[in-house]
Amino acid sequence: EELLVESGGGLVQTGGSLRLSCAASGFSFSYYWMHWVRQAPGKGLVWVSRINSDGSGTTYADSVKGRFTISRDNAKNTLYLEMNRLRADDTAVYYCANSGSHTAFHIWGQGTVVAVSS
Amino acid sequence: SYELTQPPSLSMSPGQTAIISCSGERLGEKHVSWYQQKPGQSPEVVIYQDTKRPSGIPERFSGSNSGNTATLTISGAQAMDEADYYCQAWDSTFVVFGGGTKVTVL
Repeated sequence: EELLVESGGGLVQTGGSLRLSCAASGFSFSYYWMHWVRQAPGKGLVWVSRINSDGSGTTYADSVKGRFTISRDNAKNTLYLEMNRLRADDTAVYYCANSGSHTAFHIWGQGTVVAVSS
Repeated sequence: SYELTQPPSLSMSPGQTAIISCSGERLGEKHVSWYQQKPGQSPEVVIYQDTKRPSGIPERFSGSNSGNTATLTISGAQAMDEADYYCQAWDSTFVVFGGGTKVTVL
């Protein structure tokens, strides 16, 4: 079974940091681009960041650029999101998902909750 | 930045056809995917590359994309189709989601 399992979420104070992980299994992780997508409570899906298959290229939404860093370890089949200088509006469920180059997101994780409080 | 616009909500009776629109500048020149999200669940792709259905997605789901508008059609909607639906496209190396459409089957 193709699976993505996120971890690392939690409650953090404004200005703090968190590192999310996304463990992949059941598919060839190193072949795919990977993404983080977030969803604030009661709101829609918002794309956060993507990394290409070998980790050589990354892109970020303007709202997180300079604060978040996406990375991956293909030997461990794991995707990461380092989140710094967290703000209240970063509060959301964070999903990881895979895609091909400029294709759909076919596999999604169950999400991990990040809550930023002042 | 590129934007995709969807109607916020849509209601229908069981058996009716629902058409959800997604508009964006020259959207027909991009590939559009559609995702279904039920309460408390992760999103699931129901249409990709404008018209293709993943295995396991019922035939009543179909898609089209031309000009500035992509559409997701649910033919003969069932109660189980009640969910939020999001369109998605790529803008260069960025990904854009529409704001979502809440579909209610009364």
